[in-house]
This record gives sequence, structure tokens and C-alpha cells, in this order.
Amino acid sequence: GAGVSQTPSNKVTEKGKYVELRCDPISGHTALYWYRQSLGQGPEFLIYFQGTGAADDSGLPNDRFFAVRPEGSVSTLKIQRTERGDSAVYLCASSPAGTTYNEQFFGPGTRLTVL
Amino acid sequence: DQQVKQNSPSLSVQEGRISILNCDYTNSMFDYFLWYKKYPAEGPTFLISISSIKDKNEDGRFTVFLNKSAKHLSLHIVPSQPGDSAVYFCAASGIGGSQGNLIFGKGTKLSVKP
Repeated sequence: GAGVSQTPSNKVTEKGKYVELRCDPISGHTALYWYRQSLGQGPEFLIYFQGTGAADDSGLPNDRFFAVRPEGSVSTLKIQRTERGDSAVYLCASSPAGTTYNEQFFGPGTRLTVL
Repeated sequence: DQQVKQNSPSLSVQEGRISILNCDYTNSMFDYFLWYKKYPAEGPTFLISISSIKDKNEDGRFTVFLNKSAKHLSLHIVPSQPGDSAVYFCAASGIGGSQGNLIFGKGTKLSVKP
């Protein structure tokens, strides 16, 4: 079946602009996660949704970052007033309902470059 | 402070030999551990996992060992193949392992030479 998809695959923007990154999870997966991976680092947790609600947003770096999942499926990560330090690969992952353990399935990521 | 550490940024192994990738963690609340494999321009792919109630889990050529007292785990790949060349991430999950976020190490780049 189809895996996690993310669009766009690449996004180049200018400092101060607003961007939206989209994630389409595996069908039927109720849990959805956003991570950010900077060069030379492992993925770093941003936010986790269970259904439509954000169950844990403790990883969002500041209030310029916001994510929604209005219908419990597709999610959008929104970044306002982008800064050069926001440049990274943004990864989305999903996992099925009722998972006892936390195997997450990742998408290919969106590479964001802020000039 | 890094809670999951992969102290070797790279590892080079000859085809057919064993690859051993190491991972250390500091938080004793972690009770589920995963290894992911990542190729360039792709997302991480789940490889194998282990619960803290076990000390070994095996899947084909891949075996993960967990030493809870040392807060150490390792991934063994035998025999190594050139297609195994990738970056390997160790990740940990805590509080029952259910649906919480994963905490990743920085990764180890494995090169398997023909």
C-alpha cells in the first residue's frame, strides 16, 4: 500500500516568508508525528497528533511553528516569519491505532531552505 | 544533553563480515528501542526493535542486543552486504513505549565495501 507522502519535496523561501508543509499519512493510521532533521543530526521531535488533536507539542521550538490535522488524516506544518535557522529536512511519520510499541513509518521529508 | 548517543559517526566493513553498530542511552525510563536505516533523500525506514523486557531480538541478518544495566544496545548485521550501506539511527521511546515521540541518536554511517 501507499506509504507516508510529503509535499513539496523541496521548498526554497526567503527569510521572513510563511511556508506550509503537507503530510499525508498511511491510510488508517491515527497517530501522526512531525520531526525536523538538521545536517549531521538525528530527527528531532516537533509535535504528535492522535486523531485531530495535538497530544504533545513540546518539541515545537517557538510560536512561529504551528501544525494542524483538522480531519484526523492530512496534516500541515506551518512556519511563520521563517529564519535561516529553520532550514532543515522536515519529516512526517505515522503509526496505526492501538500500537503497543512505537514503530513509526516515515515519509521522504521536505527539504526547507530559507535564504 | 543527548539522551541517545551514537558515538561512532562512521563505520567501514568488508562485504560478508559482521557490522556492529553501537548506541548508548542515559534515561532509564526508556523501555523500547528501535533501529532505523536511512538512504540519502529518503525518510528513515524501520529495521528492528526491542522491548526492555528482552535482551535480544533477531530478524534475518539483523540482531539487536540490549544491555539494560549498561544502558547500551547494539545492532549486528551478518553477513554485511553492499546494499546495507546507509546511515543507521538508534531511537528510544519511554513511558511504556506507547505512542510517545522517538528520541534519536545522531546516526552512524555504514559503508560496506565489496
